[in-house]
Amino acid sequence: KAGVTQTPRYLIKTRGQQVTLSCSPISGHRSVSWYQQTPGQGLQFLFEYFSETQRNKGNFPGRFSGRQFSNSRSEMNVSTLELGDSALYLCASTTGGSETQYFGPGTRLLVL
Amino acid sequence: QKEVEQDPGPLSVPEGAIVSLNCTYSNSAFQYFMWYRQYSRKGPELLMYTYSSGNKEDGRFTAQVDKSSKYISLFIRDSQPSDSATYLCAMKTGSGGGADGLTFGKGTHLIIQP
Repeated sequence: KAGVTQTPRYLIKTRGQQVTLSCSPISGHRSVSWYQQTPGQGLQFLFEYFSETQRNKGNFPGRFSGRQFSNSRSEMNVSTLELGDSALYLCASTTGGSETQYFGPGTRLLVL
Repeated sequence: QKEVEQDPGPLSVPEGAIVSLNCTYSNSAFQYFMWYRQYSRKGPELLMYTYSSGNKEDGRFTAQVDKSSKYISLFIRDSQPSDSATYLCAMKTGSGGGADGLTFGKGTHLIIQP
């Protein structure tokens, strides 16, 4: 079974721009969670989607948003990029009733 | 005080040694405990998952949870150079709908010397 895939793998943007990242979960998984990983803060939970609905949200500003499609694929969007948004953005999927989350390889975003 | 504390290391041990990695937590509502391994520039890989106090073994790995002390451990037996990575503990309070995301420790950088 294929794992979680994320595109693109690397991205360079400038301050003020917006970016959209994509995540395809493991086949059959209906829940997708997004995390931000930085050297200073570690891995932090952004939000979770299940059956196209945001089920939970971490402590991030409204510039960070997401959505989920009927095929469980998910996108996250960051608007008005700041230098501090440079990070590895990770997507994880699970069946929805399980606690075990499986991570993708991440998208490394650099904001200049 | 951070919800989850984990020594960042680096922790350097010789090949074949038993490795002990630990996390402490302050939120008694955490019910689910996981260990992930992350190689440089890769996503975290799930190693162990448990929800009860006590030990859980899987091959060379043993996860231990002590909810009364709010302390979890991961033991690696017969450590190999390929075990060199960052090990992250993660915890979760609820389950299913409306549950929160995983809360991670900062990770311990482990180096196994050949």
